[in-house]
Amino acid sequence: GAVVSQHPSWVICKSGTSVKIECRSLDFQATTMFWYRQFPKQSLMLMATSNEGSKATYEQGVEKDKFLINHASLTLSTLTVTSAHPEDSSFYICSARIVPGLAGIANTGELFFGEGSRLTVL
Amino acid sequence: DAKTTQPPSMDCAEGRAANLPCNHSTISGNEYVYWYRQIHSQGPQYIIHGLKNNETNEMASLIITEDRKSSTLILPHATLRDTAVYYCIVMGNAGGTSYGKLTFGQGTILTVHP
Repeated sequence: GAVVSQHPSWVICKSGTSVKIECRSLDFQATTMFWYRQFPKQSLMLMATSNEGSKATYEQGVEKDKFLINHASLTLSTLTVTSAHPEDSSFYICSARIVPGLAGIANTGELFFGEGSRLTVL
Repeated sequence: DAKTTQPPSMDCAEGRAANLPCNHSTISGNEYVYWYRQIHSQGPQYIIHGLKNNETNEMASLIITEDRKSSTLILPHATLRDTAVYYCIVMGNAGGTSYGKLTFGQGTILTVHP
């Protein structure tokens, strides 16, 4: 089945540094990927929609200059947390929307999620 | 997308059926009901989805009421590994511009005990 991979799975960084998280669709093309953030004991919250070849669309309240999203290819989207601070510590999860009608993979309607990346900012 | 409401938590004995309810009274005609689950510190896992007919796959069954205002996810023989947060989400199907933008509620914490 289709797989979405995130890297790194966990990262610890110092306050003020930038951290890049990658989201890859391993065996399918994804024109659209989504980035979520999840704080402890809370549900997932959508941060932004990443569109291949165009600018990302951010949800209300999410700073686009702090959370840089790049979707340079049909299989890779990256989220860069710039000048990270302890309050940015969270579980970041991506999902991929399969290209409709893609041959070889049964498009049963599900979306594919990555394993998540846990960021801890000291 | 329509809002859903779920009980915050449920318990189930191992080997018994787990029935997780979801209310989605404002669902529109072209919106599907999706179920995902999230095991601690992992990404959400797709379980099943449906429009109006009952659906079954290797993981679960989905029962949708005739008026589509509520549904029930059934795990026929729950195991300890089914302990997770279960999310019921309503969304338009593939092809729509908002497809993929999931709005997660708080979900139901299902605890399967021996």
